[in-house]
Parts: sequence; structure tokens; C-alpha cells
Amino acid sequence: NAGVTQTPKFRVLKTGQSMTLLCAQDMNHEYMYWYRQDPGMGLRLIHYSVGEGTTAKGEVPDGYNVSRLKKQNFLLGLESAAPSQTSVYFCASQNLDRTYEQYFGPGTRLTVT
Amino acid sequence: LAKTTQPISMDSYEGQEVNITCSHNNIATNDYITWYQQFPSQGPRFIIQGYKTKVTNEVASLFIPADRKSSTLSLPRVSLSDTAVYYCLVGPSYNTDKLIFGTGTRLQVFP
Repeated sequence: NAGVTQTPKFRVLKTGQSMTLLCAQDMNHEYMYWYRQDPGMGLRLIHYSVGEGTTAKGEVPDGYNVSRLKKQNFLLGLESAAPSQTSVYFCASQNLDRTYEQYFGPGTRLTVT
Repeated sequence: LAKTTQPISMDSYEGQEVNITCSHNNIATNDYITWYQQFPSQGPRFIIQGYKTKVTNEVASLFIPADRKSSTLSLPRVSLSDTAVYYCLVGPSYNTDKLIFGTGTRLQVFP
């Protein structure tokens, strides 16, 4: 099993550009999450999904949109990137059978200039 | 939501036992205590989870006193590869969106 994978690993955007980050998991997990981590900080939840076709806002959802059209994929979109969105983005998935054990991807490092 | 407080950083030497304590004074009845480990440039990795008393796995032990207002992650005989940030999280199992990662404890292990 590949676990949780994220695409791309690195990206540089100009202010105002858009992009989509892809997260895929092959563990058949119901829950999926998108976090951002700024330098020296903990992770902050952006959006999450408790199942295919459902999404919900987390702690810092502004400027981001998400979609969960397939159970194994969770997409994070930035419609108009801003320098404040420069961060490392982590995706995670969770099995309902395991309380709070989340499996994280390797992260996407995004720089907005 | 239960707020957690843990030391910002700790230093240790290889072979020593390391204990990281997390304070969570307003923990609720339904809350679990979970610890994650994060290496530089990687996503966090689940270490251990508990509700009360003591939990042990192949990586660490988690000690939770009867009042559950604190917990201690114990790493036996650390090595250089245990240098990482350790996060203590407290929350109910049914509200996974309430999982809050604070700034964690940065553990540095020296040779």
C-alpha cells in the first residue's frame, strides 16, 4: 500500500494564480483532512471530509475550496493564491475503526510570490 | 475544547529515557489523549493513544493519572533518530474536526 500520497511535492505560484492539490489514499478510509503548517507552528485544519461527497470547514478555511468526488481522493483548491498561503500542506486520512489515528501524506510545499 | 500545554523544547542524550508531560486541565469525559511525532519535512505520525492509566506499545508508553488532567509520554532509551517534534492532542473520538495540533515539544537528542 502506498498509504497517503500528495501531488505535487513542490509548487511556486504567483499571486492571483490558481492551483489544485491532490491527495489520494489507498486504505479505504472514510475521513480525510487538509492541514497547513507554517514555519515553527503546529498544524491547522483547513477543511475535512467524513465521506465521499461531503466536506466541511475546519479552523482556517478562507481562500480554499475542497472536493471529495471519490472516496480515495480529496482535492484542495486555491482559486486566487496569496502570499499568506505560502505554507506546507498536509493531507491525512483516518479509519473509523481507529480513534484519532490519522495517516499523513508527505506534504506539499507551496510558495506564493 | 481541552487546551493542552507542553514544554516547547527538551534536550536529551542517546540511551536516556525521555518523559514529555502534557497538561490538559479541562479534559472532558469523552476525550482521548493522543501523541504524534513529526520529523522535519514529513507529516506527523501517530505514536500512541490512551484514555486512562497506562498504555504501552513498541514505541512508547503513555501514563495518565486518575484525574486525567495531565499525561506523560515516555520514550525509553532514545536514539538520535528520535529527534523530532512531539504533539499532544486531546479531544473526543466523535468530533475529529476538533483535533488541534499545538506547537508541540521539540526534542533534540545528542550523541
